[in-house]
Amino acid sequence: GDSVTQMEGPVTLSEEAFLTINCTYTATGYPSLFWYVQYPGEGLQLLLKATKADDKGSNKGFEATYRKETTSFHLEKGSVQVSDSAVYFCAAYYGNNRLAFGKGNQVVVIP
Amino acid sequence: GAGVSQSPSNKVTEKGKDVELRCDPISGHTALYWYRQSLGQGLEFLIYFQGNSAPDKSGLPSDRFSAERTGGSVSTLTIQRTQQEDSAVYLCASSPRAGNYEQYFGPGTRLTVT
Repeated sequence: GDSVTQMEGPVTLSEEAFLTINCTYTATGYPSLFWYVQYPGEGLQLLLKATKADDKGSNKGFEATYRKETTSFHLEKGSVQVSDSAVYFCAAYYGNNRLAFGKGNQVVVIP
Repeated sequence: GAGVSQSPSNKVTEKGKDVELRCDPISGHTALYWYRQSLGQGLEFLIYFQGNSAPDKSGLPSDRFSAERTGGSVSTLTIQRTQQEDSAVYLCASSPRAGNYEQYFGPGTRLTVT
């Protein structure tokens, strides 16, 4: 079935380091792709989205490009801050009334 | 404006009891979703409402789970005869309309079944 896969395990890095979180999706049709972020004690918030191949979503210094050839939507940020510590979820909408989510990655940024 | 609200924020219940979880979507949003977030399982879709159409219940894990949406606004998720595996955070989201639009999430209800 339709699914989204995120890299395993938490990500720990130092402030100002480069962040990449990998996300791949099953290539059934052309889903819209999203990254959601969950800060400690808060609900899910949309971080960015892309609706077609080669689109780049960006917000708060984060970017992700919809790559049809590799069925990927990797999240990147050039210089993370402590305030970026959160759980990041990749999600896809396949037109079936729901978002399919990856399992999420805990990101911890150390000062 | 006001976002999606959910109540209660936390609920502890004994195994076998029934629970009701409430969701107030953003005013004017016609689409409403319930998801469950549990350790090791990530976020799972439960049910979807769109306007006055029949809901999509395909994600409900068992017949102990049911949901309704009254007047196209407030929704209640009911879990009967709760089991320990029902312990999770239950998230509600709403969207301006059906289809490929941003879903706005509430803060969730943390359910613990003892």
